[in-house]
Amino acid sequence: QVQLVQSEAEVKRPGASVTVSCKASGYTFTDYYIHWVRQAPGQGLQWMAWINPKSGDTNYAQKFQGRVTVTRDTSINTAYMDLRWLGSGDTAIYYCVRDLTNAVYGTVYWGQGTLVTVSS
Amino acid sequence: DVVMTQSPLSLPVTFGQPASISCRSSQSLVYIDGNTHLNWFQQRPGQSPRRLIYKVSERDPGVPDRFSGSGSGTDFTLKISRVEADDVGFYYCMQNTHWPPTFGQGTKVEIK
Repeated sequence: QVQLVQSEAEVKRPGASVTVSCKASGYTFTDYYIHWVRQAPGQGLQWMAWINPKSGDTNYAQKFQGRVTVTRDTSINTAYMDLRWLGSGDTAIYYCVRDLTNAVYGTVYWGQGTLVTVSS
Repeated sequence: DVVMTQSPLSLPVTFGQPASISCRSSQSLVYIDGNTHLNWFQQRPGQSPRRLIYKVSERDPGVPDRFSGSGSGTDFTLKISRVEADDVGFYYCMQNTHWPPTFGQGTKVEIK
């Protein structure tokens, strides 16, 4: 079955960087885009970026341009999201999502989420 | 960015009764190919979201038929015909007609 398993929770200092990983299984990794979406405590959902695992092409929300990088390693079916210069406003659960924006029956899967806490 | 506005933000419901959530977009969501890319997601307490509806009214696998989506242009609705205990949580609309994808603020469905 399709699974996206994310890395464990992180606590970071302001100004630091964080890397969240997302390991895919149960399907051909290069067949579907991986998106990153975050959810601040008690808040809604915010799209951040996508990566095409086949080509490595990426697209970022303007809000995060220059501060986020998404990559992938096809040898281990894993996508990564790096976020730099963390501030308190970056405290959130970060989700990887397969095929978020492709309007096709039954293709959207979410990881379990990774809580990133930014605190001094 | 397209702004998605949901109402109400809180929806107390009674088991077995219907419920309805509205979602309005700041621009038409009709794409150049004629499709309308409006989705609905459910997030149960402590869980990741899951997509219920795509292209306004198409249900995903395993979604009970008591969930239905409707609407066009800028006005959309998610209806639950008879609320069950499993339906408690937050519901979000999301558009991906225009870049970047944007979500509504969420509607909390809770039992009266």
